[in-house]
Amino acid sequence: KQEVTQIPAALSVPEGENLVLNCSFTDSAIYNLQWFRQDPGKGLTSLLLIQSSQREQTSGRLNASLDKSSGRSTLYIAASQPGDSATYLCAVPAGGTSYGKLTFGQGTILTVHP
Amino acid sequence: SAVISQKPSRDICQRGTSLTIQCQVDSQVTMMFWYRQQPGQSLTLIATANQGSEATYESGFVIDKFPISRPNLTFSTLTVSNMSPEDSSIYLCSVEDRLSYEQYFGPGTRLTVT
Repeated sequence: KQEVTQIPAALSVPEGENLVLNCSFTDSAIYNLQWFRQDPGKGLTSLLLIQSSQREQTSGRLNASLDKSSGRSTLYIAASQPGDSATYLCAVPAGGTSYGKLTFGQGTILTVHP
Repeated sequence: SAVISQKPSRDICQRGTSLTIQCQVDSQVTMMFWYRQQPGQSLTLIATANQGSEATYESGFVIDKFPISRPNLTFSTLTVSNMSPEDSSIYLCSVEDRLSYEQYFGPGTRLTVT
């Protein structure tokens, strides 16, 4: 059974800092890995999806890396801003015939203070 | 990317009653997914809904408690039946882009059972 762990559980940084969020998974036979952002009481916004054949994906100030063999992914946020404050979740497909059945980590609660 | 809407956005319900949550997608999709997010927790998959067939439920979730309808390729409903305070959660529907395998989520329905 796939298990996903995110470290740290919470992170508080001053504005402008670069930061790294970590995600690990137990079964390396994944199709892809997706990072989401969730604002309090809201739905999920997709940030980045990395296919199993890729090692990195970038979108603006965000960069996600994937190391399948070690079961790890990192989300790098450059020059953090207060608007980046949210919960960040990583998820991998549970396998089988559908990529849509996701297994989520517990999330990292990020606070960026001015 | 898919645009997903959910109704209602939030509700407060009494113990023993039922609530039906609607999920509408702006494009035709084969599968729709329903997730639950209990307070302070990550997301857990409830079931997968295919058009024209019975929904497939994950371990710990049963049809009598969470009946699902999928009348066409853009719409689904999830009913939370005979509610108890333990059902207080955010319920989210999602769809998968079959070209990119990216998963998109609705804004969620925040349910409080008193």
